[in-house]
Amino acid sequence: EAGVAQSPRYKIIEKRQSVAFWCNPISGHATLYWYQQILGQGPKLLIQFQNNGVVDDSQLPKDRFSAERLKGVDSTLKIQPAKLEDSAVYLCASSLDRLGEQFFGPGTRLTVL
Amino acid sequence: AQSVTQPDIHITVSEGASLELRCNYSYGATPYLFWYVQSPGQGLQLLLKYFSGDTLVQGIKGFEAEFKRSQSSFNLRKPSVHWSDAAEYFCAVGAQMKTSYDKVIFGPGTSLSVIP
Repeated sequence: EAGVAQSPRYKIIEKRQSVAFWCNPISGHATLYWYQQILGQGPKLLIQFQNNGVVDDSQLPKDRFSAERLKGVDSTLKIQPAKLEDSAVYLCASSLDRLGEQFFGPGTRLTVL
Repeated sequence: AQSVTQPDIHITVSEGASLELRCNYSYGATPYLFWYVQSPGQGLQLLLKYFSGDTLVQGIKGFEAEFKRSQSSFNLRKPSVHWSDAAEYFCAVGAQMKTSYDKVIFGPGTSLSVIP
């Protein structure tokens, strides 16, 4: 069974630039999560999708972050414009159902200069 | 709202020694509890979870955890640590929200170092 795929693995940009991350969850997983993990901290949920609908985006900085999950499968997370404090690892995870085991992708390490 | 604390930021143990990582949670109802491990350069992996039933839960890689409602704790244990157990460990608590979805909150993590 293929795992959660994410790309790119690494990205370096300058502040005020834009960046997009892509996630392909495990086939059949209805729930998809995007987390931000700052060095030395636990993952912080940015947005949670159930199929292609958003169920929680309370911690997503909506003035600069956006996310979509077209057709309830792949998802993209975008930051525009980026700030220095956005430097972090962005993790995508998926689960078969609510409160089920979350399967995590390898993450995208973003550095904002 | 639920919350999770992991009092130990970093722990160092000798290989072969026993291990206990602490986790305390705050939630009004019976929580769903998880332990995840993040090895260097790898993604997070579920070690074990507690939803209900037996309060002593067995997981992968020889880990176990015990849910203690009276202490609001879900400590992770392993009787004999291996060098490959060096990693970051995250406790997480899940709660069913009023809007019928479920939210999982991760703790800050405990970094484990293993001395040969």
